[in-house]
Amino acid sequence: EAGVAQSPRYKIIEKRQSVAFWCNPISGHATLYWYQQILGQGPKLLIQFQNNGVVDDSQLPKDRFSAERLKGVDSTLKIQPAKLEDSAVYLCASSLFGSSGNTIYFGEGSWLTVV
Amino acid sequence: AQTVTQSQPEMSVQEAETVTLSCTYDTSESDYYLFWYKQPPSRQMILVIRQEAYKQQNATENRFSVNFQKAAKSFSLKISDSQLGDAAMYFCATNGGSGTASKLTFGTGTRLQVTL
Repeated sequence: EAGVAQSPRYKIIEKRQSVAFWCNPISGHATLYWYQQILGQGPKLLIQFQNNGVVDDSQLPKDRFSAERLKGVDSTLKIQPAKLEDSAVYLCASSLFGSSGNTIYFGEGSWLTVV
Repeated sequence: AQTVTQSQPEMSVQEAETVTLSCTYDTSESDYYLFWYKQPPSRQMILVIRQEAYKQQNATENRFSVNFQKAAKSFSLKISDSQLGDAAMYFCATNGGSGTASKLTFGTGTRLQVTL
C-alpha cells in the first residue's frame, strides 16, 4: 500500500516569496491533515479536511496560509508571502475517517527554509 | 483543549538495555487515545504504539510497551532490548474533542540516543 506522498521534499525561498506544497493521501482516506513542525517542537495542526470540507483551521494563519482539497483527494498548502518564522517541516497526514480511533499516517514532510 | 508534556529532552540507553520515556497529559475529553510516535532524521512520523483510554490493560507491541496511569494522566513508553535503529525523536500525543476527534496534540519530544 502506497503511503502519504508529499512534494517537494525541500524548498528554499526568500522572505515575501510564495511557495506551494502538494500532498497525496493514502487511497481511500477521507481525512487529510497539514501539520507544521518548527525545529525543536512537536507538530502543530494547521488544517484538517474531511473529504473536501474543512473541519478545523483554527491554527492556520489565514492572512498568509491557504489550503485546498478540491476533489477530496490531493491537497495543496500555499504560503504567500512567506516570513522567516515559516521555516519548518510541513507534514501531511491522512486517516480513514476523522474519528479518534483511526490511525493517522504521515508523509515524509516538506522542508521549508525561508531566508 | 489538550496538553502533552514530555519532561525529558534527551535520553540515552545502551544497546540491549531498557529505557523508559515519560509523558504526562491533560484533557477534558472522556473518549480519547494516546500515542507514541517515532521520528527518525527523515522526519516521517511513525506510529509506535497506541492506547485507548477506556482500556485498563497496557498496550504492547513487540519490544515496546506503555505504562498508562489514567488517574495520574501519565503515559510512559518502555523500550526493551534497545537497538541502534531505535535512535530517534519520540513524541507523545493525544487526540479527542468533538468535531475534530482525530486531531493530535503533541509533546515537545524526547531525543533517544542508543550507544554500543
